[in-house]
Amino acid sequence: GAGVSQSPSNKVTEKGKDVELRCDPISGHTALYWYRQSLGQGLEFLIYFQGNSAPDKSGLPSDRFSAERTGGSVSTLTIQRTQQEDSAVYLCASSSRTGRYQETQYFGPGTRLLVL
Amino acid sequence: AQSVSQHNHHVILSEAASLELGCNYSYGGTVNLFWYVQYPGQHLQLLLKYFSGDPLVKGIKGFEAEFIKSKFSFNLRKPSVQWSDTAEYFCAVFTDKLIFGTGTRLQVFP
Repeated sequence: GAGVSQSPSNKVTEKGKDVELRCDPISGHTALYWYRQSLGQGLEFLIYFQGNSAPDKSGLPSDRFSAERTGGSVSTLTIQRTQQEDSAVYLCASSSRTGRYQETQYFGPGTRLLVL
Repeated sequence: AQSVSQHNHHVILSEAASLELGCNYSYGGTVNLFWYVQYPGQHLQLLLKYFSGDPLVKGIKGFEAEFIKSKFSFNLRKPSVQWSDTAEYFCAVFTDKLIFGTGTRLQVFP
């Protein structure tokens, strides 16, 4: 398919463990975004990549969260020492953004993370 | 800080009823506006978008939205809903990132 893909689709982990979430954007899309969807908080922006650079990391909730993107394509969101409040659906989106405006973001199916 | 407000958290309608979901945003500059839909068990899909031009935009499945700049609003409408419209609807504004409203859960009963 030509859409955004994410893996794993579900992840259950124990408190204190590290997790890695993967996103494969639509081919050719230069911009990649991570969001978090949780009960009571709605959809929250986490980080934005343009190519391999992250000009906006303002949504990362703590230094336990980090993300990288390699080759202008795949991105990995890493959560270290997971806490129960990290339980949420983590969404990835990509777009062909080249300027400041006029972009449409296309979303992946998400990774549902449960921290026990 | 930019924000998006969706006033209806949960809407219940019968089939063929008309729908209007409110969305207001707080940002004085140029904005791009979106409505996304999330059907049960599915991922977020784009319903419609406004970038510029005609403030009345039409999307998929008979949905439309009207951008009223003076009211900072971008309400979603559909004249006659169907059971298959049962989903969660999110309004979003893009400035330099997408800011989402809290969502409206729509339930349509046959």
